[in-house]
Amino acid sequence: QKEVEQNSGPLSVPEGAIASLNCTYSDRGSQSFFWYRQYSGKSPELIMSIYSNGDKEDGRFTAQLNKASQYVSLLIRDSQPSDSATYLCAVSRDDKIIFGKGTRLHILP
Amino acid sequence: DAGVIQSPRHEVTEMGQEVTLRCKPISGHNSLFWYRQTMMRGLELLIYFNNNVPIDDSGMPEDRFSAKMPNASFSTLKIQPSEPRDSAVYFCASRLTGDYGYTFGSGTRLTVV
Repeated sequence: QKEVEQNSGPLSVPEGAIASLNCTYSDRGSQSFFWYRQYSGKSPELIMSIYSNGDKEDGRFTAQLNKASQYVSLLIRDSQPSDSATYLCAVSRDDKIIFGKGTRLHILP
Repeated sequence: DAGVIQSPRHEVTEMGQEVTLRCKPISGHNSLFWYRQTMMRGLELLIYFNNNVPIDDSGMPEDRFSAKMPNASFSTLKIQPSEPRDSAVYFCASRLTGDYGYTFGSGTRLTVV
């Protein structure tokens, strides 16, 4: 079983709609959870971090964590063309952060 | 803050040659990580350092790879001899120890022909 699993996509969402990205992880000891955005040819950029069960909102982004189900999600409201990128889910235990392969998101204008 | 600085940005080398990638972490960050990214395997953690000490190198693919961190502001990743399958983007990242996400450098795109 892969440590962090994501659907590779592409996920196509109309502009202005809600984009929903999902991730599962295998290590129950994972302590911290992150979402990174990576534009083509660029480095990953941290956009959200979440450490406890529930929702965390930051602007148009909401991260959701369910440790019992080992599930993390990212919602992007009012999707914009500039949100088109690959979104990487990452989980951390101690110092190490393990990344999923990412979901490609395409916002349709 | 200049961020994490990697050099070179691009490297093309012939199979069998030695390759050295360089990284300068953000000042004050005490953890440094080397990752490799390919389409097939995604982002793979190769090795990480805490306070200049290698903590976990279990991701280093084989003995051809080595990494050093002689001081808090500099790290190298060396591949000797290089092979075509080493072609990838190599990222360096740093952070303060604790529950914080990393800051990545711009990466080095390595092509071994």
